[in-house]
Amino acid sequence: GDSVTQMEGPVTLSEEAFLTINCTYTATGYPSLFWYVQYPGEGLQLLLKATKADDKGSNKGFEATYRKETTSFHLEKGSVQVSDSAVYFCARGQGAQKLVFGQGTRLTINP
Amino acid sequence: GAVVSQHPSRVICKSGTSVKIECRSLDFQATTMFWYRQFPKQSLMLMATSNEGSKATYEQGVEKDKFLINHASLTLSTLTVTSAHPEDSSFYICSAGLVGLPSEQFFGPGTRLTVL
Repeated sequence: GDSVTQMEGPVTLSEEAFLTINCTYTATGYPSLFWYVQYPGEGLQLLLKATKADDKGSNKGFEATYRKETTSFHLEKGSVQVSDSAVYFCARGQGAQKLVFGQGTRLTINP
Repeated sequence: GAVVSQHPSRVICKSGTSVKIECRSLDFQATTMFWYRQFPKQSLMLMATSNEGSKATYEQGVEKDKFLINHASLTLSTLTVTSAHPEDSSFYICSAGLVGLPSEQFFGPGTRLTVL
């Protein structure tokens, strides 16, 4: 079935470091792809999305490119901040409206 | 835009009681709402999909008599945990979908349920 696999965490980085969180998805159809972020004690917020191959989603310095050939949607940021500490979820669309989530990657940024 | 609220944000109840959680879309009409459960340090598990005016569709392994879902209007869905037990303690999150935005969902802030 449809699935999403994320890089296992936790990930700990120093402020201003480069971030990559890997995400791959099963190649059933041409799903929309998403990154959601969850801050402690809160629900999920959409960080960015891409709806077709080669699209690049970007927001708040984060980027991810929809790579059909490698079925990947890796999240990157050039210089992370302490405020980026959160759990990041990669997700793919399933059917008309459902989402399939990866297991989440906990990111901690140290000053 | 596309704000989803949940109430209450936190609830503590005794074993055997029922708890109702509300999910509202504040500035849009949501024909479809989703209920998730999240265990500590784990991903979201979809429990059910609810469409306004019809019965909810439950995922495999989710007890429909235990988790009652009602989607009576285009802006409100409720989840009632009946006869709650300590193992029902969890973080419950709802989300709402927008017609015309395939797969995109807008999430509520979640409800932390603790059953004593």
